[in-house]
Amino acid sequence: DAEITQSPRHKITETGRQVTLACHQTWNHNNMFWYRQDLGHGLRLIHYSYGVQDTNKGEVSDGYSVSRSNTEDLPLTLESAASSQTSVYFCASSEGLAATYNEQFFGPGTRLTVL
Amino acid sequence: QKEVEQNSGPLSVPEGAIASLNCTYSDRGSQSFFWYRQYSGKSPELIMFIYSNGDKEDGRFTAQLNKASQYVSLLIRDSQPSDSATYLCAVTPGGYQKVTFGTGTKLQVIP
Repeated sequence: DAEITQSPRHKITETGRQVTLACHQTWNHNNMFWYRQDLGHGLRLIHYSYGVQDTNKGEVSDGYSVSRSNTEDLPLTLESAASSQTSVYFCASSEGLAATYNEQFFGPGTRLTVL
Repeated sequence: QKEVEQNSGPLSVPEGAIASLNCTYSDRGSQSFFWYRQYSGKSPELIMFIYSNGDKEDGRFTAQLNKASQYVSLLIRDSQPSDSATYLCAVTPGGYQKVTFGTGTKLQVIP
């Protein structure tokens, strides 16, 4: 069955370290998204991609980067981790053209703690 | 003003009652509206979407959209303890894949 996976599921790191969170989907979806979820803020979009070599900034992109070298993967990198980046991170994907909405399927999430 | 606003709750309803969840949005150009359910410690899953004014029913769930008043609601009939979760309202402008999520309303169904 097609799925979307994230790794690691839990990560503890120190301030200033570079961290990469992996997202892999086997749906063959064009569109992939990274969100963070914090109490009182809900889900906030960090970066998104509509296809290979395409990346776009979301509303909370500062301190994060992504790259899309193939259809299946969209890794999220925290350049220099800060305590404010402690959160639960969700990856999501959807099929279809950028100009039409399709259901987003979410991965299981990664809980990141920055000490 | 937040783009998508929801009462955080918790909203407590007895088993078998109707749960009513509300959401307002600020962008008048928004065209697509979604309700996601998120169980504690799990990822969101889509349960309803609506594009046109009026009601849309799917089993025990009814989504209601009023674009003039800029609100969308979700009714859950015959609420069950398994419906206890956080319900996220999401809105997207027409023609785009991005969505803006509300902060969610926590629903508790009391047996």
